[in-house]
Amino acid sequence: ETGVTQSPTHLIKTRGQQVTLRCSSQSGHNTVSWYQQALGQGPQFIFQYYREEENGRGNFPPRFSGLQFPNYSSELNVNALELDDSALYLCASSLGPFQPQHFGDGTRLSIL
Amino acid sequence: KNEVEQSPQNLTAQEGEFITINCSYSVGISALHWLQQHPGGGIVSLFMLSSGKKKHGRLIATINIQEKHSSLHITASHPRDSAVYICAVLNSGGSNYKLTFGKGTLLTVNP
Repeated sequence: ETGVTQSPTHLIKTRGQQVTLRCSSQSGHNTVSWYQQALGQGPQFIFQYYREEENGRGNFPPRFSGLQFPNYSSELNVNALELDDSALYLCASSLGPFQPQHFGDGTRLSIL
Repeated sequence: KNEVEQSPQNLTAQEGEFITINCSYSVGISALHWLQQHPGGGIVSLFMLSSGKKKHGRLIATINIQEKHSSLHITASHPRDSAVYICAVLNSGGSNYKLTFGKGTLLTVNP
């Protein structure tokens, strides 16, 4: 059974650029949730996708967008990057929207 | 005031001690998660509970819905238990999902 995998593991961008982060869900999981964790803070919920539809969104601006594919893998896109977007981005998959989550190891994004 | 408050923020214990980490929340929830995060970022889900008590090995989680409070206990603590423990609450009502996290408790268990 393959777990949740995220790519890339590390990424450096500059202000104003755009970034795409990827997440492959665990086999059999149809739900993917994305979280942002700033250094020294708890994670914050960005959004969740269930069967290719957005199923909930946290307090993030529209420049944070996502997508879920028919194989249930997912992308997180961030436009017009700001310095405060520097964080660890975590993806978690589950058997359903309200089921226990399995986390990936995250993508560490640094904005210069 | 944050919707999810954890205490203590930092906890240092000696190997073998009984550990308790507390979580209080101010919103209606359908479930509560306890998560473990090791240095480097990886998060492991320990428990998801909506009532009563759950036990897995040396870990015990309890929740009191009326008092809006949950505790995570670790019996016979070990240095490998050193990690950040995070409480997160799942919203109730409606079909849309929202998970709100506490800031975490940094646990250090010394040999």
